[in-house]
Amino acid sequence: DIVMTQTPLSSPVTLGQPASISCRSSQSLVHSDGNTYLSWLQQRPGQPPRLLIYKISNRFSGVPDRFSGSGAGTEFTLKISRVEAEDAGVYYCMQVTQSPHTFGQGTKLEIK
Amino acid sequence: EVQLVESGGGLVKPGGSLRLSCAVSGFTFSNAWMTWVRQAPGKGLEWVGRIKSKASGGATDYAASVKGRFTISRDDSKNTLYLQMNSLKTDDAAVYYCVLEWFGEDHWGQGTLVTVSS
Repeated sequence: DIVMTQTPLSSPVTLGQPASISCRSSQSLVHSDGNTYLSWLQQRPGQPPRLLIYKISNRFSGVPDRFSGSGAGTEFTLKISRVEAEDAGVYYCMQVTQSPHTFGQGTKLEIK
Repeated sequence: EVQLVESGGGLVKPGGSLRLSCAVSGFTFSNAWMTWVRQAPGKGLEWVGRIKSKASGGATDYAASVKGRFTISRDDSKNTLYLQMNSLKTDDAAVYYCVLEWFGEDHWGQGTLVTVSS
């Protein structure tokens, strides 16, 4: 199974400041179809997960443009340009390139 | 708008069975690959298994932790996904989410809670 490792696991961020979360996979996430199926999910307290970013850098419908994704191969990053109060929650990276799909441990974003 | 609504969760004794459903609307369900993901209380996300579309062969795939006990099926005429859970253990207690896969653009349901306790 592909292991997904996120850093940091906890991130206190001041309102209006940027935030960044890293995700590393134990093997390349490039699919045989040429795409890299690395996604980022947001889970607010008491809510189900919500897709933010798919295929490394594509924002899902309705996701604010302050969220951006980058990376390639085995190293990926989620960035929030200016954190807002509603961004508090846990963020997960997820790979759907290979079965079983696997998730990072989650990064708790705390707004100061 | 794509909507996924899970149902069927509840309290069950260890060793018991439960069947979850996921009703899908706003998407051509028969074309989608569907996945179940679970989240134990206070824990992270765990992939449970997947079923491909019939056009892709309809194959199922399961996490090692549930293989042989859980069965995923679909009824394309009802736009509904199922998860049959047998021989339930206390470790299976979680919120179960259904996920519609579409080339990375995944849609998530709200989840249904399964409690396994005597």
